[in-house]
Amino acid sequence: NAGVTQTPKFQVLKTGQSMTLQCAQDMNHEYMSWYRQDPGMGLRLIHYSVGAGITDQGEVPNGYNVSRSTTEDFPLRLLSAAPSQTSVYFCASRPPTGGTSGANVLTFGAGSRLTVL
Amino acid sequence: LAKTTQPISMDSYEGQEVNITCSHNNIATNDYITWYQQFPSQGPRFIIQGYKTKVTNEVASLFIPADRKSSTLSLPRVSLSDTAVYFCLVGGSARQLTFGSGTQLTVLP
Repeated sequence: NAGVTQTPKFQVLKTGQSMTLQCAQDMNHEYMSWYRQDPGMGLRLIHYSVGAGITDQGEVPNGYNVSRSTTEDFPLRLLSAAPSQTSVYFCASRPPTGGTSGANVLTFGAGSRLTVL
Repeated sequence: LAKTTQPISMDSYEGQEVNITCSHNNIATNDYITWYQQFPSQGPRFIIQGYKTKVTNEVASLFIPADRKSSTLSLPRVSLSDTAVYFCLVGGSARQLTFGSGTQLTVLP
């Protein structure tokens, strides 16, 4: 049981380049999300998905696209990278909530460190 | 969305009990309070969750007063390996789960 797997772990881009951060989970979680973490800023939600075919914006969605074609995968796309997108990106998932205590129990990946020059 | 406020940093010595408080004044009726631990270069890891009163597990205790506008994570007898950032998260089945800036706990020898 691998949990949440993120690739790549490290990436360096030049301004204007595009790339996709991959996220996969094998826990059959319906909810998946992407956060970015910057020094002193905590974790900020970029996009999230409550199931295949359903995505929505979080706090800081500009410059990022997502899609959810399967339950397992939730890729994050940067169409034209900017230095302001230099950050550590975390993917997280959680099981169906049904309004119960499991709602906040996220499982995080190990992170992807992105540097945009 | 419930906003949370935590101290930016705390220092402690090995063997001491550490209490980290999180304020969440606009917590909703169906919101749970969850705490995470994050080590450098790793993703956050679930520690403990509660709704009211006190919850204890093998890692920590969580104290929640009757008005639920704050919560306190208690780490008994900390060691150097407990040095990490601790986040509190408040929410129910909300789709947008937002974290605060977290508390950097440094355990000194």
